[in-house]
Amino acid sequence: AQTVTQSQPEMSVQEAETVTLSCTYDTSESDYYLFWYKQPPSRQMILVIRQEAYKQQNATENRFSVNFQKAAKSFSLKISDSQLGDAAMYFCAYGDNDMRFGAGTRLTVKP
Amino acid sequence: DAGVTQSPTHLIKTRGQQVTLRCSPKSGHDTVSWYQQALGQGPQFIFQYYEEEERQRGNFPDRFSGHQFPNYSSELNVNALLLGDSALYLCASSLGGAGLAGNEQFFGPGTRLTVL
Repeated sequence: AQTVTQSQPEMSVQEAETVTLSCTYDTSESDYYLFWYKQPPSRQMILVIRQEAYKQQNATENRFSVNFQKAAKSFSLKISDSQLGDAAMYFCAYGDNDMRFGAGTRLTVKP
Repeated sequence: DAGVTQSPTHLIKTRGQQVTLRCSPKSGHDTVSWYQQALGQGPQFIFQYYEEEERQRGNFPDRFSGHQFPNYSSELNVNALLLGDSALYLCASSLGGAGLAGNEQFFGPGTRLTVL
């Protein structure tokens, strides 16, 4: 079964600095999707970035980028120029015909 | 453009009771997925509805059932509630046709269920 592991329960970053959140996954599939979701205290999950496994190029969305290493089954999220509004729980997720989420990383942004 | 809405926001039930949670998808979306998020955990996929049928199901017992209406809104029903069913229940909508993960899912704010 596919599993998603986020090894950092909590991370902290200074405002305007860069932080990287880690995620590894396990699958025997070759075609799948990977996601990073943000869940602020309001509880609403918001898609941050999405990567299709067949694409070698790493996805980027403004200040957010990923480092996708398919062979290593690694999918880390880099947040550049961190802002106070980035503070939230971040979930890594794997999807094919099922969606599996990691346990999350709580990101704190210090002013 | 209204996003995904869920009702109620909070709900308190006792063991053995039954509960129904409701979800209205984002305008234009035809697919609804349900997730259970226990405190301090990531969401777990319950099932997905498309064209009024259950298309995919996660590892949840038959006590969890659902329905999708012709207007694409959906209900999640849980029978014989257990203490362990206490969680945030999230609904997500998307456009069908590309598998569960093929299209972006938009999440609602969730329903907090407490079972006493």
